[in-house]
Amino acid sequence: ELKVEQNPLFLSMQEGKNYTIYCNYSTTSDRLYWYRQDPGKSLESLFVLLSNGAVKQEGRLMASLDTKARLSTLHITAAVHDLSATYFCAVDGEDSNYQLIWGAGTKLIIKP
Amino acid sequence: EPEVTQTPSHQVTQMGQEVILRCVPISNHLYFYWYRQILGQKVEFLVSFYNNEISEKSEIFDDQFSVERPDGSNFTLKIRSTKLEDSAMYFCASRRTGFADTQYFGPGTRLTVL
Repeated sequence: ELKVEQNPLFLSMQEGKNYTIYCNYSTTSDRLYWYRQDPGKSLESLFVLLSNGAVKQEGRLMASLDTKARLSTLHITAAVHDLSATYFCAVDGEDSNYQLIWGAGTKLIIKP
Repeated sequence: EPEVTQTPSHQVTQMGQEVILRCVPISNHLYFYWYRQILGQKVEFLVSFYNNEISEKSEIFDDQFSVERPDGSNFTLKIRSTKLEDSAMYFCASRRTGFADTQYFGPGTRLTVL
């Protein structure tokens, strides 16, 4: 069974601090996606990582992918309150239509 | 910027009633998906749709569920006889190609079954 595991599931941190969210997956996929969800809202695409060693950065967020370790990380640098949200990682399923298989999400609260 | 739209934003129904959730995917996209998210939980895949037919469905997508693309733009999810446990947020998503492409999500329909 395909599994996508995120940790931590909940993270409360102070503004200005750095932290990393981890995403482990069990497939042989080399494509991984990060999404952000604000409370009661839809899923917003953050990053698409398509190969081993891929690194993408947007503002204070940086995502990387290690397909050998089947691990992706989402690093937050100098957190600000606006980054408070739930972050999901997902991988393509193994069938030909690539539905996404999701992690449980990491709820991130950033305190002023 | 093109976006996926969904209607209604919130649907309240009585147990046993039929509901139809509607989606308009991005116009040049070829792959369509329905997911659901029970409050506070992970996102779960329901069904994928390509070339006017279901291409994959999960265990959740049983006989009470059906999908259609009745015209060139709409994509619908029907639940024939709703149960209390169907209460969730239902998201439609579309993707231009099937490979390594971002799935774009609609705003969701919150379904409440009483």
